[in-house]
Amino acid sequence: DAMVIQNPRYQVTQFGKPVTLSCSQTLNHNVMYWYQQKSSQAPKLLFHYYDKDFNNEADTPDNFQSRRPNTSFCFLDIRSPGLGDAAMYLCATSREGGTGGSPLHFGNGTRLTVT
Amino acid sequence: GQNIDQPTEMTATEGAIVQINCTYQTSGFNGLFWYQQHAGEAPTFLSYNVLDGLEEKGRFSSFLSRSKGYSYLLLKELQMKDSASYLCAVINSNYQLIWGAGTKLIIKP
Repeated sequence: DAMVIQNPRYQVTQFGKPVTLSCSQTLNHNVMYWYQQKSSQAPKLLFHYYDKDFNNEADTPDNFQSRRPNTSFCFLDIRSPGLGDAAMYLCATSREGGTGGSPLHFGNGTRLTVT
Repeated sequence: GQNIDQPTEMTATEGAIVQINCTYQTSGFNGLFWYQQHAGEAPTFLSYNVLDGLEEKGRFSSFLSRSKGYSYLLLKELQMKDSASYLCAVINSNYQLIWGAGTKLIIKP
């Protein structure tokens, strides 16, 4: 089945220790997104790629970086995690970047704990 | 600003019908999604509305009124597995997806 896969499902890191979250997709979608979601809150868009074009949200901290080496893979790097970065991180893909009713397909998420 | 308003929490009985409302104020409109999210899991797509009216899909239906900036999700014949959060999201004129915080639906036997 075509899908979006995130690894790991749960990640524990120490305060200030860099961490990388990964996402892969077999849907061959053009657009890949990284969202941060805290409990009972709306998902917050961090950045997205339309093919290789990187789009950073204005309020995404510099502490968050992303890489998309090819169509299938996308990574989220948190350079110096703080306690406030503990959240669920959701990777999503879409065919057309939200136009024409193209829905987002989400991976299962990575729950990040910062100790 | 742009915002999406949904009730924080609703409770309903198994087998009953529930309507979850969503009102939005966004810079333009290019469509509205409803997603279901079980606790600790990722959102899954339920429905998409871009024209006024009702879209029916099995036990779930979604309604849109663009003039009122209003949508609702109607869930019929509620089952315990329908206990989840339901998120409304609107595509604005810049094709940005604006998310609501979700409505937590609790189903009681």
